[in-house]
Formats: sequence, C-alpha cells, structure tokens
Amino acid sequence: GDSVTQMEGPVTLSEEAFLTINCTYTATGYPSLFWYVQYPGEGLQLLLKATKADDKGSNKGFEATYRKETTSFHLEKGSVQVSDSAVYFCALTVSSNTGKLIFGQGTTLQVKP
Amino acid sequence: EAGVAQSPRYKIIEKRQSVAFWCNPISGHATLYWYQQILGQGPKLLIQFQNNGVVDDSQLPKDRFSAERLKGVDSTLKIQPAKLEDSAVYLCASSNQQGSGYTFGSGTRLTVV
Repeated sequence: GDSVTQMEGPVTLSEEAFLTINCTYTATGYPSLFWYVQYPGEGLQLLLKATKADDKGSNKGFEATYRKETTSFHLEKGSVQVSDSAVYFCALTVSSNTGKLIFGQGTTLQVKP
Repeated sequence: EAGVAQSPRYKIIEKRQSVAFWCNPISGHATLYWYQQILGQGPKLLIQFQNNGVVDDSQLPKDRFSAERLKGVDSTLKIQPAKLEDSAVYLCASSNQQGSGYTFGSGTRLTVV
C-alpha cells in the first residue's frame, strides 16, 4: 500500500546549521507530496508541497524537490533558527476522489542557540 | 478567516468509559476529516465526510468509534467504550476541495487510564 518513511529523530542542530530531513515514499499512481510542521501546542500547518515530478516546493527558507526516480522528497534549509524547532511530517496524497493524506512518523527538530 | 475549532483540548477518562469530541470546520469547507495521532506516529485518517456523507471510513474501528456530521457543518467523534490504546491526539481538518487546502485544528488530546 501507499506509505511514507522519514528519517528517525530527534535531530539536534545549532543555529545557522544546514538541515536535511529525508523522506521517501511508496505510492501507486501519481502522488502529490507535502511537508507539514507542528509547533509545540499547535495544529499541523502546511509548510510546502509539490504536485508533480521535478517540482520544487518552498516556503520560509525550506525547500523540497519531488524526485520520482528516487521516490524522495527531502526537506532542506540552509540556515536553521531556534524558531524552527518543531515536528516535521512528510505526507502524500494519491490522486483519487478522497484526498486522504498518508503521513510519515514525523521527525523532531531541536535547534539550539 | 477563523480556523478549525475543536473541543475539548484535553480529556482524561477511564477505560470502558465513553467520550465525544467536537469539531467546527472552516465556514464553507465541504470536506471534513478526523485523524488519530498516536504519540510518536504520524496522523492516520479515521473518517472523511463530504458535506454530511461519508467518503472513507475504512480505518474507523466501527465496533467502538462512531462519527457524524449533521447538516454538513459540525462533526462529533465518539468512542464507546474506550480502550487504553485509544490514547492519542484526535485531529479534525477541513478543506474546500478534496485533497487540497487542508486546515487542521489544534486537536483533542485523549488519555485513557
């Protein structure tokens, strides 16, 4: 079945370090891919998305490129800040009539000053 | 615009008791979702409504969970009787078209003791 696998956390970085959170997927059809972020005490927020192969999603300095050949959608940021500390979820939806999101297990990022 | 409202924020109950959660989606959003997020895992879809009709409830444990969306607006999710493994955050989300423009509520954290 359709699934998403993320790298294990927690990830601990110093401020201004480079961030990569790996995400790979298995899907039938042509999925759309998403990164969601969950700040402490808050709901899930869409961070970025890509709907077809080679698309790059970007927002708030974060980027991810939809790589069909490697079935990956890795999240990157060049210089993290303390305020980026949160849980990050990779997710997909397969083009269908439901819009159901399938999530990875989440990766906790802690950024230290 | 106002976000997705959920209540209560927290609930602690004993096993075998019943509990209900309430969700008020964004005005005009026809699609409403309930997700279960167990600690350390990504959210998993329990049920999806399109207006007041059920689109997908394949992952809903129907022997103990029920949900309704009367008049195509508010929704309630009920668990009766609760088990220890139901301890989780229950997230409600809505969208104005299936698979696009999701907005999540802050969730209800349920602890079953």
